Amino acid sequence: NAGVMQNPRHLVRRRGQEARLRCSPMKGHSHVYWYRQLPEEGLKFMVYLQKENIIDESGMPKERFSAEFPKEGPSILRIQQVVRGDSAAYFCASSSGDQPQHFGDGTRLSIL
Amino acid sequence: KNQVEQSPQSLIILEGKNCTLQCNYTVSPFSNLRWYKQDTGRGPVSLTIMTFSENTKSNGRYTATLDADTKQSSLHITASQLSDSASYICVVKDRPGNTGKLIFGQGTTLQVKP
Repeated sequence: NAGVMQNPRHLVRRRGQEARLRCSPMKGHSHVYWYRQLPEEGLKFMVYLQKENIIDESGMPKERFSAEFPKEGPSILRIQQVVRGDSAAYFCASSSGDQPQHFGDGTRLSIL
Repeated sequence: KNQVEQSPQSLIILEGKNCTLQCNYTVSPFSNLRWYKQDTGRGPVSLTIMTFSENTKSNGRYTATLDADTKQSSLHITASQLSDSASYICVVKDRPGNTGKLIFGQGTTLQVKP
């Protein structure tokens, strides 16, 4: 029973490019959460999604960031026109109902 | 502002020794408090979860305490092992249900030396 799968594990982009981060939740989980961990800081909530719906995006930057969780396939966190400050570890978590969240191992995004 | 503060920021102990990590929070409302272990390059893994009515919970060599009146929690690690070297993160959930948010502390980095 695979856990939360994130890919790629490491992603390097140049300023101005787009970054796409993928998250496949645990089998049977329909709730997905994205978090960002900046260097030397704790994880910060970004967005909570259920299948085809954004439930809470209060932690998402207003521009350049978007997330989706389609009916089929993984959840995608998309960052357009990346800047140096986007360099961070991005973690995805999934849950079933009101059960505790299980975390993936993250995507480390580096911006050149 | 809802916050979770942890101390110490980092800690070095010898293998076999015990240690205690501290967490103070100002999150309100409060649903539950969790301790996670995060190995370098990995995602957080849950160690314990405590609700308002629970004041202690154990998971093997890990024992967490919660004082909801003073809004303090601790994580005690007994007979430390080299594999305990990791970041330990205190996390408070503000509301029950799926819309409740997890608010993370910065973590305590523990290094266990032989």
